[in-house]
Amino acid sequence: QLQLQESGPGLAKPSETLSLTCTVSGDSISSTSYSWGWIRQPPGKGLEWIGDMYYDGTTNGGSTNYNPSLKGRVAISVDTSKNHFSLRLSSVTAADTALYYCATWSRSIGSFDPWGRGALVSVSS
Amino acid sequence: DIQMTQSPSSASAYVGDRVTISCRASQDIRSWLLWYQHKPGKAPDLLISSASRLQNGVPSRFSGSGYGTDFTLTISSLQPEDFATYYCQQASSFPLTFGGGTKVEI
Repeated sequence: QLQLQESGPGLAKPSETLSLTCTVSGDSISSTSYSWGWIRQPPGKGLEWIGDMYYDGTTNGGSTNYNPSLKGRVAISVDTSKNHFSLRLSSVTAADTALYYCATWSRSIGSFDPWGRGALVSVSS
Repeated sequence: DIQMTQSPSSASAYVGDRVTISCRASQDIRSWLLWYQHKPGKAPDLLISSASRLQNGVPSRFSGSGYGTDFTLTISSLQPEDFATYYCQQASSFPLTFGGGTKVEI
């Protein structure tokens, strides 16, 4: 059974880069059945899709989709040797404070399933 | 971007009640509509895909309907474990977007 777990620093400073990792268990991150995504939820607000990556095993890694609202600050990558994928969000501000979820996008069903339990990241000096 | 509007934002209900949650898309998304259940401190769970397809293991008291722009999640007889926040999400086009959530509480 596929399971995901987020990890990373719970605090980031304004203007710096937020980095989180999602460790995948129960299947290989090289599986072509899935894409690997990130979603966040600011305190008291709704869910916002950040982006996702489909790893196709080629030298360039695969394809990505990002939310334009993040204005090019986001990058998602896959590390097959560690069976995990990562999120980097640069030039963070207090508005990036949120509970960050990683999730599997099932390409057959077309849905996020399963999700991790979330990692809270606060942006503060 | 496709805007997803959920109503109500919160619903007070008793065990055994029928609960209906609406989700409206700002443009036609055909049946590319998902429903999730989220309990505090836990990972969100997928309940329904393709607007009406119940996921394995999800109780039959949950059902989804709708097509195009108007969708509904119905809980036919609310159980204690159903008190949670429910979100709809469109999967028709990028950026993927979610409704604001409906908190079902006593």
